[in-house]
Amino acid sequence: DAKTTQPTSMDCAEGRAANLPCNHSTISGNEYVYWYRQIHSQGPQYIIHGLKNNETNEMASLIITEDRKSSTLILPHATLRDTAVYYCIGKTSYDKVIFGPGTSLSVIP
Amino acid sequence: KAGVTQTPRYLIKTRGQQVTLSCSPISGHRSVSWYQQTPGQGLQFLFEYFSETQRNKGNFPGRFSGRQFSNSRSEMNVSTLELGDSALYLCASSLDGQALRTEAFFGQGTRLTVV
Repeated sequence: DAKTTQPTSMDCAEGRAANLPCNHSTISGNEYVYWYRQIHSQGPQYIIHGLKNNETNEMASLIITEDRKSSTLILPHATLRDTAVYYCIGKTSYDKVIFGPGTSLSVIP
Repeated sequence: KAGVTQTPRYLIKTRGQQVTLSCSPISGHRSVSWYQQTPGQGLQFLFEYFSETQRNKGNFPGRFSGRQFSNSRSEMNVSTLELGDSALYLCASSLDGQALRTEAFFGQGTRLTVV
């Protein structure tokens, strides 16, 4: 079965970088890897996506391994508002959308 | 501009009944996708519509169906409700293309409780 794996939870000190890993060996080589986050009781919010190269935007950086089997989302300076569940998402070669189980990130003052 | 609107926000139904949920995408967005979120299974893809056509479907039984109208608004229907259908149902809209090919904007969801 296609699946992605993520740590269940992580803590990060406020102001420090948060590094959230995801293993997604079953995501198709032609499909992007997406990262979304969900703050309690809200719909998921887009963060960043990438295909092969590393990507950076105003929210985060995304590092994708050369074999595309894993990626790491980096929040460079975590704030309390970054406390959320972070999902990595992709599609298989059969065009099925697959979600990781999500990592609950707690940013600690 | 207005975000994705889902109605109703909360719903309580009895086993065996059917339910219809509505999603109004962001103006100009032509793709709407639906997801089910439960504590046990997490986020799961239901289906995706683009220009009134279903483009992709997840692994859900035929009791789950949907449609999209010419104004891109979408509805999903669940017939013969089961207790296990209790979940947060989310819809997302994007400009075009297939689900998650472009950035998707999610609504707040409809929380369905089946009793």
